[in-house]
Amino acid sequence: SYELTQPPSVSVSPGQTARITCSGDALPKKYAYWYQQKSGQAPVLVIYEDTKRPSGIPERFSGSSSGTTATLTISGARVEDDGDYYCYSTDSSGIHRVFGGGTKLTVL
Amino acid sequence: QLHLQESGPGLVKPSETLSLTCTVFGDSIRSSAYYWGWIRQSPGKGLEWIASILYTGSSYYSQSLESRVTISVDTSKNHFSLRLSSVTAADTAVYYCARHLIVVPAGMDKFDFWGQGTLVTVSS
Repeated sequence: SYELTQPPSVSVSPGQTARITCSGDALPKKYAYWYQQKSGQAPVLVIYEDTKRPSGIPERFSGSSSGTTATLTISGARVEDDGDYYCYSTDSSGIHRVFGGGTKLTVL
Repeated sequence: QLHLQESGPGLVKPSETLSLTCTVFGDSIRSSAYYWGWIRQSPGKGLEWIASILYTGSSYYSQSLESRVTISVDTSKNHFSLRLSSVTAADTAVYYCARHLIVVPAGMDKFDFWGQGTLVTVSS
C-alpha cells in the first residue's frame, strides 16, 4: 500500500505563517490535494493540483511541491484557520488513493 | 448549488451489511466529467477513501476494502449507494459522499464537494 506522511500537529500564533508538509514517494509524479476539516464538519478542498486554489478560498492559502514533499502554507494565519488538514494523492500507478494522517493546526 | 445528502441506518449489527445512499441535488449524476465517491472517517481518526463510481457504472475500489464493498448508481433517482458487508466495530465511522473528479491523462483526482456525513455505528 501507499502512505502519505504528515506531522501530527503544527502550532502558530495569529499572523504567523503556518506550513504543513506531506511526504510521499509518488509526489514527484502525482498531484497533491489539501483539505481543511473544522470540528464536526465535512472536509473542504483548499488546494488542488499542488498549487491551485478553488474559488472562495482565501489567498493566504497556498501550495507548493518539490520532490517527495508537498507543502500547504497559510500566510498570516487566523484563529478561524484552526482545524485538521489532510493531504491526498495517489501512488504512481494511480490505484491506491490515500489521505495523509492529518495535521492538527492550532492558531493561538 | 450542489448539495449531497447521505442517508441510511445509523446502527448496524456486527456481521451484517451496511447500506447507505447519497442523493445529489443541484447537478445531474450523469455529468460525464465526474465520479461519485464514498470516504469514511473513524472516530478521532483520519480519512479513508472507499470507492467511486461513474454514471456508466465504471468504478474504482480501495484495495483494502474491495472484497466487502459494492458501489452502485441509480441515474433515475440521481443517487448512488454503498454496501459494506460483514461489518465489525472497526467499520464504525462517519461516512461521507463526495463528487470525485478523475481525469487520468491530466493527473486530476480530487473530491471537490462533500456531503455533511452520516455516523454509522456497528454494535449489537
